[in-house]
Amino acid sequence: GAVVSQHPSWVICKSGTSVKIECRSLDFQATTMFWYRQFPKQSLMLMATSNEGSKATYEQGVEKDKFLINHASLTLSTLTVTSAHPEDSSFYICSARPARGSDTQYFGPGTRLTVL
Amino acid sequence: QKEVEQNSGPLSVPEGAIASLNCTYSDRGSQSFFWYRQYSGKSPELIMFIYSNGDKEDGRFTAQLNKASQYVSLLIRDSQPSDSATYLCAVNPLDYGQNFVFGPGTRLSVLP
Repeated sequence: GAVVSQHPSWVICKSGTSVKIECRSLDFQATTMFWYRQFPKQSLMLMATSNEGSKATYEQGVEKDKFLINHASLTLSTLTVTSAHPEDSSFYICSARPARGSDTQYFGPGTRLTVL
Repeated sequence: QKEVEQNSGPLSVPEGAIASLNCTYSDRGSQSFFWYRQYSGKSPELIMFIYSNGDKEDGRFTAQLNKASQYVSLLIRDSQPSDSATYLCAVNPLDYGQNFVFGPGTRLSVLP
């Protein structure tokens, strides 16, 4: 149980294009999903917290207009990197917290984004 | 600012030994504590969580919590080379909404 999927697992795009990443909780409902970014050999960095049906809460320094988050249902959140640039190349990971039960976060497998 | 600290390592132990990973946290009101394992290039996976003072065992893993000392540890018995990874300590502070505070991680290397 508690499986979280992400799609795509990797993506290569040209500078200036937009990329959408999907995060799904497969066997549980998640009122809250989290988006993280991780650069090589660095720690996880929380980008934003997404609650179903409401606007995401962004961490300080994260541009909300560049990283668009939509949490349309209890099992799906999307992150869109708009007008991507090479410095946005990173490992993007989502996690989901079950609506009921523990406060554990379950992580998706991550999406590796490379912007050329 | 709420902080979680870990020794970055690398911590090297021989195969079969006990690996001890430590974590301290700043928010005395924190209620729940988690250990995640992250292999290079992969996302974190949950190993175990602990809420109460004392020890919690799950197979070769034991989590230890001491709220008075604001300290949580993870022991790995009979360490295997496949345990080589970065171990992340995460704390759920009482008043930080629903966000975890993650430590920087400790890199563990189990030598055959």
